[in-house]
Formats: sequence, C-alpha cells, structure tokens
Amino acid sequence: ILNVEQSPQSLHVQEGDSTNFTCSFPSSNFYALHWYRWETAKSPEALFVMTLNGDEKKKGRISATLNTKEGYSYLYIKGSQPEDSATYLCAFRASGNTPLVFGKGTRLSVIA
Amino acid sequence: ETGVTQSPTHLIKTRGQQVTLRCSSQSGHNTVSWYQQALGQGPQFIFQYYREEENGRGNFPPRFSGLQFPNYSSELNVNALELDDSALYLCASGPAGFNEQFFGPGTRLTVL
Repeated sequence: ILNVEQSPQSLHVQEGDSTNFTCSFPSSNFYALHWYRWETAKSPEALFVMTLNGDEKKKGRISATLNTKEGYSYLYIKGSQPEDSATYLCAFRASGNTPLVFGKGTRLSVIA
Repeated sequence: ETGVTQSPTHLIKTRGQQVTLRCSSQSGHNTVSWYQQALGQGPQFIFQYYREEENGRGNFPPRFSGLQFPNYSSELNVNALELDDSALYLCASGPAGFNEQFFGPGTRLTVL
C-alpha cells in the first residue's frame, strides 16, 4: 500500500508571511508528483506536475521542489495573501499507467 | 475553472438505496476517473474509464460501477449504499491516462 504523507495538517499564517509544507512519498518506483490547490466548494486546480529529481517549478508566488531519492517535495508560498487560503494536495504516481495516490492535504489559512 | 461539471452538488440517501452521480467532461477528454474523499482523508481512486471501457480500478467493491458515454459524460453508480459511502465524490477528466487530470467540484453524498 503506497503511503503519501503531508505535513502539517493545517496552518495559519499572517498576510505577508512566507510558508512551506511537505509531501512525503515512496522513494522507489517514482514516476510523477502532482500538486493541487483546492478552495472550498470549488474544483481542485492543478499547480505542478513534477517528474525529475531536483525539479523546481514556479507559478507566481508559489514554487515547488522535488527530491525523488529521499521521497519528498516542498511547496513554498512567498508573501501569503488571503486568497491563498485553500487546501493543498499532493498526489504521487508510481508509473505512467497507475492512478494518483493522494495525501490528506495541508489546509492553509491566511489571516489579513 | 476546469470545465468539468458534476451533478448533483449534494444529495442524501438511505442505507440500501442506489445512487447515480454524473460528470460532464471537457470535449476531447477520453479519460474520466472517479475518486472518493471520505472525511479527513485524501481522495481515493475508484476507477478510470477510457473510451467507454473500464481501464483500471482501485480497492472498491463491485457495487461501485461506472459508465462513460460518447458525449463526454459519465456516471458513477453505487448500489446497496452503506453508511461508510458518505463522502465527497470527485470526477476528473483528461486527454489520456493520468498525466493531466481536470477535476470537477464534487458531489457530496450523505447516507443515513
């Protein structure tokens, strides 16, 4: 059974703070790591798909890194804004034709 | 928005009943996957359909079944509902496989 862990489970930050959270996944048989942003009552929105060890991706104030050898990915948000409040999900894939295995998510609340 | 819609938004059923949930994918998306998100958990893969055929299944019993239609719509059917089936059900569509998946907002099912 594949296990994908996300930490912390939730966090509260002040507007303007930078923050980061972690996704841990099995370090063997790695194919891809997906990050999603999910606002309440909306659809999960794809942020990044990461496939190569050492990958760094950036979208505005949000960036992510990937370490497949040790089995973790970090998501960073620089200068958090209230609109960044959402649940951030990571999902691991072991091969090209296997489904996404999700973590439980990190719920971020940004206080103005 | 992802262009993937689901109906209904929420519904309530009683134990033993049957339910059909619907998903409308983007035009051109040949793949649709269904996920169950129980309270406090990450989404769990139920099954995937590709060009109207089941193309992979997670650890769910046969009373969970699906259909995919040529007009890019799909259904998730659950027979003999149990209390533990109460969850948010997400569909995700994509051009092929799991590389790129666009999620709907989900249907929240409550079984009493």
